[in-house]
Amino acid sequence: GENVEQHPSTLSVQEGDSAVIKCTYSDSASNYFPWYKQELGKGPQLIIDIRSNVGEKKDQRIAVTLNKTAKHFSLHITETQPEDSAVYFCAASIRNTGNQFYFGTGTSLTVIP
Amino acid sequence: GAVVSQHPSRVICKSGTSVKIECRSLDFQATTMFWYRQFPKQSLMLMATSNEGSKATYEQGVEKDKFLINHASLTLSTLTVTSAHPEDSSFYICSARNLDGSYNEQFFGPGTRLTVL
Repeated sequence: GENVEQHPSTLSVQEGDSAVIKCTYSDSASNYFPWYKQELGKGPQLIIDIRSNVGEKKDQRIAVTLNKTAKHFSLHITETQPEDSAVYFCAASIRNTGNQFYFGTGTSLTVIP
Repeated sequence: GAVVSQHPSRVICKSGTSVKIECRSLDFQATTMFWYRQFPKQSLMLMATSNEGSKATYEQGVEKDKFLINHASLTLSTLTVTSAHPEDSSFYICSARNLDGSYNEQFFGPGTRLTVL
């Protein structure tokens, strides 16, 4: 089955700096890669996703890149703000199937004011 | 985006009692709902996949007789923790797949904090 690894497990950055979180996956059939943000005591919220037919997607301060050959994808947050502090999870799945999402282990991001 | 609700948000019960958690997709129909369990500072652990009108598929190691799942309609799935014990205390989260989505989006509920005394 699919195995998703996520690094780093914790990340602290100064407000205004950029944050990068990386994930790797093992199953070359995976073609859908969402990123979720989870605040304390709440459910995960989808913040951005990417499909395997594109290499990069951007939404304001958030971007995701995908390297299919190397089987890794990354989340980039620019101009970080304290409200970006949360746990971020990557996931991999096979699009349009009943297959489950395989989640990474999470990255706890702290943005220091 | 699509909205998924869970009820209750928090429940405290005595050991040996049963607890029911509801998961609803509010503005879309979901043929598939997922139930996760999350321990502090850990990732989401998939417990079971719930398909409308059919039996749930449980992950290895999850007792189906203890965690009863019912997906009676395209907008509602329930998880019942039967004869709860302190080790069942956890954060339970559901998610729903958007039937109309062109791809595999899953939208998560806000979670239910279960504490078994």
